Amino acid sequence: KAGVTQTPRYLIKTRGQQVTLSCSPISGHRSVSWYQQTPGQGLQFLFEYFSETQRNKGNFPGRFSGRQFSNSRSEMNVSTLELGDSALYLCASSLLGLDNEQFFGPGTRLTVL
Amino acid sequence: AQRVTQPEKLLSVFKGAPVELKCNYSYSGSPELFWYVQYSRQRLQLLLRHISRESIKGFTADLNKGETSFHLKKPFAQEEDSAMYYCALSDWNKLIFGTGTRLQVFP
Repeated sequence: KAGVTQTPRYLIKTRGQQVTLSCSPISGHRSVSWYQQTPGQGLQFLFEYFSETQRNKGNFPGRFSGRQFSNSRSEMNVSTLELGDSALYLCASSLLGLDNEQFFGPGTRLTVL
Repeated sequence: AQRVTQPEKLLSVFKGAPVELKCNYSYSGSPELFWYVQYSRQRLQLLLRHISRESIKGFTADLNKGETSFHLKKPFAQEEDSAMYYCALSDWNKLIFGTGTRLQVFP
């Protein structure tokens, strides 16, 4: 079956702008989670959505938000971009949640200038 | 606070040598523990999880609750094992990753 897909793969934005990233999970997976990966902080959990509801949230400011649609596709939004938001953003899907095997997408590389 | 520590950023061994990638965690409870691997130009993928008690690609990991460790071991490293390895802990409402260890296996 098709893997997790993320669009776009690369993005360049300037400070103060906002950005929306998209993630399509594996068919049948109801949990989608998002992660920020940077050289300094490694992989950090942003949030998890399950059946269109945010179920869990990491320690990120409110500028980071997301949503999940009825087909389980998810979007992540970052408003008022800062230079420090430059990172690889990964999404992962799983059948039921964070204690299940996570299937990762290829990531979206966001550069904030 | 929950934490996962991988003390080595880089581990270099020769082919055929034993490998041990260290992982220590802090968590008050019964966590789910995982090892994820990322090979060059590939996606992050699950290698193994502690509840399955499987050996995957010759790797095993034993949960030691007394020492709060979940070290990954392989008796004889292969060149194709070269990759980035991440230990992760799930307490159902968070998935916490260590900073990763790069394993280099030389011929």
